[in-house]
Amino acid sequence: ETGVTQSPTHLIKTRGQQVTLRCSSQSGHNTVSWYQQALGQGPQFIFQYYREEENGRGNFPPRFSGLQFPNYSSELNVNALELDDSALYLCASSPAQRRDTGELFFGEGSRLTVL
Amino acid sequence: AQRVTQPEKLLSVFKGAPVELKCNYSYSGSPELFWYVQYSRQRLQLLLRHISRESIKGFTADLNKGETSFHLKKPFAQEEDSAMYYCALMNNAGNMLTFGGGTRLMVKP
Repeated sequence: ETGVTQSPTHLIKTRGQQVTLRCSSQSGHNTVSWYQQALGQGPQFIFQYYREEENGRGNFPPRFSGLQFPNYSSELNVNALELDDSALYLCASSPAQRRDTGELFFGEGSRLTVL
Repeated sequence: AQRVTQPEKLLSVFKGAPVELKCNYSYSGSPELFWYVQYSRQRLQLLLRHISRESIKGFTADLNKGETSFHLKKPFAQEEDSAMYYCALMNNAGNMLTFGGGTRLMVKP
């Protein structure tokens, strides 16, 4: 069983640029959540996708957007990058029948540095 | 708004000593709380959830609604318990976990 995979693992961008991060959910999981983890802090919820629709959003501006595809993989897009967007971005998936049980299966993350 | 606070960034104990990692929460609804753990060079993973009332790897956590706490305890720490521990609170909609800032546990030999 393949776990959650994310790409790229590391990337460097400059202020004002746009970035797309990708996530493949674990087999059999149809719910994907994205979290931002700044250095020294806990993960912070960005949004969740379920059956290709946004199913909840945290306190992030609209320049953070996402997509979920029919195969349940997902993308996180961030426009007009700011220095404070530098963080580890975590993707987590969960199976349909346990979508709301709090058990998330995390990827290793994509570390974004904005210069 | 929901909030989770872990007051200790670092907790250092000797092997065999008791461990208590503190977690306090703020939430107006009925809380569902979890402990997640991240071992060195591994992914963040679920350790235990309060609703299951289970003991995992010797760890237990009791929900105290009066004190709004969900402290993680283990009577005898092992070196392999060294990791980053995060307390998390699920919202009523069941789609958002709010994490605390984390506590790094170091168990010395």
